[in-house]
Amino acid sequence: AQSVTQLDSQVPVFEEAPVELRCNYSSSVSVYLFWYVQYPNQGLQLLLKYLSGSTLVKGINGFEAEFNKSQTSFHLRKPSVHISDTAEYFCAVRTNNAGNMLTFGGGTRLMVKP
Amino acid sequence: DAGVIQSPRHEVTEMGQEVTLRCKPISGHDYLFWYRQTMMRGLELLIYFNNNVPIDDSGMPEDRFSAKMPNASFSTLKIQPSEPRDSAVYFCASRPGTGYNEQFFGPGTRLTVL
Repeated sequence: AQSVTQLDSQVPVFEEAPVELRCNYSSSVSVYLFWYVQYPNQGLQLLLKYLSGSTLVKGINGFEAEFNKSQTSFHLRKPSVHISDTAEYFCAVRTNNAGNMLTFGGGTRLMVKP
Repeated sequence: DAGVIQSPRHEVTEMGQEVTLRCKPISGHDYLFWYRQTMMRGLELLIYFNNNVPIDDSGMPEDRFSAKMPNASFSTLKIQPSEPRDSAVYFCASRPGTGYNEQFFGPGTRLTVL
């Protein structure tokens, strides 16, 4: 079975600073990887996804993530954050042998300070 | 499209009462998922349907929980009797058929059981 670990439960950062949110997964088969964002009192929205091809994936709101198969990681980055990026971020994985289910990490709360 | 619609957005009930949460998936989507989100356990998949048929209900916590999908445009999650530990945000998500990997989430129902 696959699992997803988000190493940081909270990441405080100042506005306009760069940020990296870490995600590691465990799976013995090919994976599809996702980052979702959840703003307060809202549902989850897809930020970006890796299905195949280029390991550097660009998403909405200036976010990008890099798939690293050897390190089984899919870290999310943004070069300069805004106050409006304050939210909870979830990494998720789907494998070919897991049917149609996504397995989510525990989430990372990004807190952008002025 | 209005996206995934959930009702009610907030529900407060007393222990022992029956609770019914409702979901309308995006039109044309073949898959529907029910999730529960709590601080302690994060985001958990409860059950999912494909073409109105329940495929995997291994995440349903116990017999007090039941889910139905009588047609392609409507699903319910019922808790009877409800308990304080059922307090959580319940999300419904849908996605198109095979080949599409992204799930689209509703805004959630915040359930409080007193």
